[in-house]
Amino acid sequence: DIQMTQSPSSLSASVGDRVTITCRASQGIRNDLGWYQQKPGKAPKRLIYAASFLQSGVPSRFSGRGSGTEFTLTISSLQPEDFATYYCLQHNSYPLTFGGGTKVEIK
Amino acid sequence: QVHLVQSGAEVKKPGASVKVSCKASGYSFSSYTIHWVRQAPGQRLEWMGCINAGNGNTEYLQKFQGRVTITRDTSASTAYMELSSLRSEDTAVYYCAREFVDWGQGTLVTVSS
Repeated sequence: DIQMTQSPSSLSASVGDRVTITCRASQGIRNDLGWYQQKPGKAPKRLIYAASFLQSGVPSRFSGRGSGTEFTLTISSLQPEDFATYYCLQHNSYPLTFGGGTKVEIK
Repeated sequence: QVHLVQSGAEVKKPGASVKVSCKASGYSFSSYTIHWVRQAPGQRLEWMGCINAGNGNTEYLQKFQGRVTITRDTSASTAYMELSSLRSEDTAVYYCAREFVDWGQGTLVTVSS
């Protein structure tokens, strides 16, 4: 199984800060990775697909990079509505696996 | 507009089974894969399995092999996830998702004696 190691597990940041979250795959997954935002009590929402493509309707302050084993999600200027938990998901091979999540909290 | 509507919350005793439904609308049901993901309280998302709604082929996470069955009824545009031999650790919110783009609202399954 492909393991997805996500870091950090949590972070505190202020509105306007630049935030970067990383996912590392235990083996190469090409660009078969998505990033998801989840708010308490809600279903996840896809932000990025194919590692770097912005989902329709998602603000351009979100961006994704990477290929192979290392991937990043960057929020260029954190907004109040961005405080949430973020997950990566690899869909290169079964079983599909999520990262452990990154909780973004208000400093 | 795509909608995935899941069945309501369930409370089950250990050893019982639960079957959660996911009714799809707004797209061609048979053209996409439906995934099932669960989230125990305070825990990470966990992929459980999926079904190709067109040909019915399934994939499952090994840890659930033998306990989970995912099916679909194309005439009703509905997918189902049945989990058997329930234990307290199966208490979680269960989500269906179409290709991880569109998600159901989640179904809380509580396993308690």
